[in-house]
Amino acid sequence: QVQLQESGPRLVKPSETLSLTCAVSGGSISTYYWSWIRQPPGKGLEWIAYIDYSGSSRYNPSLKSRVTISVDTSKNQFSLKLSSVTAADTAVYYCARHELGYCDGGTCPYYFDFWGQGTLVTVSS
Amino acid sequence: DIVLTQSPDSLAVSLGERATINCKSSQSVLFSSNNKNYLAWYQQKPGYPPSLLIYWASTRASGVPDRFSGSGSGTDFTLTINSLQAEDVAVYYCQQYYTTPRTFGQGTKVEIK
Repeated sequence: QVQLQESGPRLVKPSETLSLTCAVSGGSISTYYWSWIRQPPGKGLEWIAYIDYSGSSRYNPSLKSRVTISVDTSKNQFSLKLSSVTAADTAVYYCARHELGYCDGGTCPYYFDFWGQGTLVTVSS
Repeated sequence: DIVLTQSPDSLAVSLGERATINCKSSQSVLFSSNNKNYLAWYQQKPGYPPSLLIYWASTRASGVPDRFSGSGSGTDFTLTINSLQAEDVAVYYCQQYYTTPRTFGQGTKVEIK
């Protein structure tokens, strides 16, 4: 059974960079696609970005200018950096795995089949 | 971006009764080459991450009770919970994986009447 665990600072100051890591256990990070998703307190879900084991990534245009997603296959983990944060970035941040699909002669990410427990990151001075 | 609009925002259903949640997409999520709808449903209980309920609009995920069912095609989808149980109290989200950015509906809160 694949397990995902988010880690990183729970409190970030405005204008600084939020950094989170998702450690994957019970399976290899290779082959699949991996995402970050966030949920402001009491609100809905927002997809941030995904990456595959090779480092190929896609971003939500609404956040693209501030987001970097990366993967470290040697540590079986992937990471998120969100720069220039404001109070609006306060949220529970989840990492998740995509079921693997096949399309256009290659692979593509389908629905989210495994989720981490999430970590609340608060942006405040 | 594909906008998913769920209705209602919340509903209260008696134990043992049926709950119906709708999800309308701003554009079709039916991929013509494989005739599959790229739509999933998730259940989120308070204090927990979302968990996968339904994918391909109507396929139950492993371990999901058969009182949960999904239907619909193209732009209109429905999640039905037959014989609502106390443990079904949660927020339910639809999500499309047809295109990027991946998007979710705003969520529907299901409570016991």
